[in-house]
Amino acid sequence: TQLLEQSPQFLSIQEGENLTVYCNSSSVFSSLQWYRQEPGEGPVLLVTVVTGGEVKKLKRLTFQFGDARKDSSLHITAAQPGDTGLYLCAINAGQKTSNTGKLIFGQGTTLQVKP
Amino acid sequence: NAGVTQTPKFQVLKTGQSMTLQCAQDMNHEYMSWYRQDPGMGLRLIHYSVGAGITDQGEVPNGYNVSRSTTEDFPLRLLSAAPSQTSVYFCASSYSKGGKLFFGSGTQLSVL
Repeated sequence: TQLLEQSPQFLSIQEGENLTVYCNSSSVFSSLQWYRQEPGEGPVLLVTVVTGGEVKKLKRLTFQFGDARKDSSLHITAAQPGDTGLYLCAINAGQKTSNTGKLIFGQGTTLQVKP
Repeated sequence: NAGVTQTPKFQVLKTGQSMTLQCAQDMNHEYMSWYRQDPGMGLRLIHYSVGAGITDQGEVPNGYNVSRSTTEDFPLRLLSAAPSQTSVYFCASSYSKGGKLFFGSGTQLSVL
């Protein structure tokens, strides 16, 4: 059973469209991270969300942490071909309010943005 | 800064062979971890370490051993490789538990 569920698994859109990807869990967690991975490289951190209801923006990317700290979403406005990649969410497993060091990832959303 | 360095980048093994994947970081990070990545599975945690001399199991530890004798190095050992261990392996480090992970560029391993 996956601790973290990401949806959709695959997304192929045209340049300029908007999209949202989701990361859900049945457990409460202390913080959540979003990473992007390009082919042949390791993932790179985009953002960390900590507070329930928190919203963070990174240029055209908007990240939201659910009020109950069990889910998160990533919204991309006017997607560009450079946004193409694998988007991964990750949480610290084991403790609701502290970090254990055991960082678990979801299975990822593969995004393709066509010119 | 080199960051997190993994060697080798590519490796082909025969079933039953042993090998060690090397990982070194020069950022003085306490936390290091190993993941494997398979299509449609995201990253799965194999083993992790919160400091020199301390290691613990992740989600998929069977078939792999680790040790952490120094802060800088965290090698991953496959004692008897199996085809199910064909994967891309990533090493990562962070300054603290739950902090930003810095990843190496990965090792692509094929077990025939």
